Amino acid sequence: DAGVTQSPTHLIKTRGQQVTLRCSPKSGHDTVSWYQQALGQGPQFIFQYYEEEERQRGNFPDRFSGHQFPNYSSELNVNALLLGDSALYLCASSSGTGLSYEQYFGPGTRLTVT
Amino acid sequence: GENVEQHPSTLSVQEGDSAVIKCTYSDSASNYFPWYKQELGKRPQLIIDIRSNVGEKKDQRIAVTLNKTAKHFSLHITETQPEDSAVYFCAASGGYQLIWGAGTKLIIKP
Repeated sequence: DAGVTQSPTHLIKTRGQQVTLRCSPKSGHDTVSWYQQALGQGPQFIFQYYEEEERQRGNFPDRFSGHQFPNYSSELNVNALLLGDSALYLCASSSGTGLSYEQYFGPGTRLTVT
Repeated sequence: GENVEQHPSTLSVQEGDSAVIKCTYSDSASNYFPWYKQELGKRPQLIIDIRSNVGEKKDQRIAVTLNKTAKHFSLHITETQPEDSAVYFCAASGGYQLIWGAGTKLIIKP
């Protein structure tokens, strides 16, 4: 049973560029949440996708957008990259039929913006 | 919005002793409180969680307690071992998102 997977593992981009990160949820899960974790801090909620729709969004600008596909996998897109976007981006999957369900995390994508 | 505060930021204990990490939350609607362990360079791993209809939950050496009136919850690790060294995060949720504490770096001294 595959857990949550993310790609790529590491990524280096230049300010102003755009980036796409990918996530495949754990088998049996239909909900994907994205988090940004800066060095030495706790994860910050970006948004959650369920039934191919953004169900809830955290305090992130519109430069951060996402998508969920019919197979429940998801993408996180960040436009006009800033140095401050450098972080570990974590994807978490859960079963979305109710509130506050256990979230299981992928290994993350380390994004460095230069 | 919800805010979660976590203390201490660093905790150093002797191997075999107990460790306690405390969190407080602000939103009385929060009803789910997970704890995650994150080792350096790795993903957060869910180690235990508790819901608001339960006051205490145990899993071997790990226990979590919840005081809804005071809006605080705690993680207790007994008989600490070297492999317990990591950063521990508490979180709270009343909806779809998890609001996280800032983390506690637990150091186990030999």
